[in-house]
Amino acid sequence: DIQLTQSPSVVSASVGDRVTITCRASQPMSIWLTWYQQKPGKAPKVLISAASSLENGVPSRFSGSGSGTDFTFTISSLQPEDFATYYCHQANSFPRTFGQGTRVESK
Amino acid sequence: EVHLEQSGSEVKKPGSTVKISCKISGYTFTAHYMHWVRQAPGKGLEWLGLVDPEDGKTIYAGNLQDTVTFTADTSADTAYLHLSSLKSGDTAIYYCATLERMFDFWGQGTLVTVSS
Repeated sequence: DIQLTQSPSVVSASVGDRVTITCRASQPMSIWLTWYQQKPGKAPKVLISAASSLENGVPSRFSGSGSGTDFTFTISSLQPEDFATYYCHQANSFPRTFGQGTRVESK
Repeated sequence: EVHLEQSGSEVKKPGSTVKISCKISGYTFTAHYMHWVRQAPGKGLEWLGLVDPEDGKTIYAGNLQDTVTFTADTSADTAYLHLSSLKSGDTAIYYCATLERMFDFWGQGTLVTVSS
């Protein structure tokens, strides 16, 4: 099984800050890593697929990169609507797994 | 437009069963697996497994202890999650999702509350 370790678990940031979240896989994997945003009471929303491909309609301040075991998700300039929880997910193999989540909160 | 519509919230007693539905529209049901994911209150996302609507084959996460069953009805374009022997730890929001590479769509979630 591929375990995903996401860090940090909480980010305290202000509007305009650059936010970076990492997702480390327990073994090398392909590019099939997805980043989701989840707000309270809502289903997760896909932001980035295939490690770095921005979904249609997602603002360009969101980006993803990485390969092998280390993947990174970045918000270049945090906006008020970006306070949420973010998850990584691997679609490389079964069983599918998710990172533990990173809550981005207001400083 | 792809849409996954799940059935409504349920309140169940411990030891009982529940069946959640997920009706799709906007794509060919048999073309993509249907995954199930749950989220306990205040917790992260847990993958439960999937059903292949084309042939009914299933893959279950290793920790489910035979209490979960996935099925698909191609005549109704609907996937189902059946949970039995419910316990308080099964209280969660259950999501259906396609979760496929470059084809990733989610239902709105179904809250299942297990309480005596």
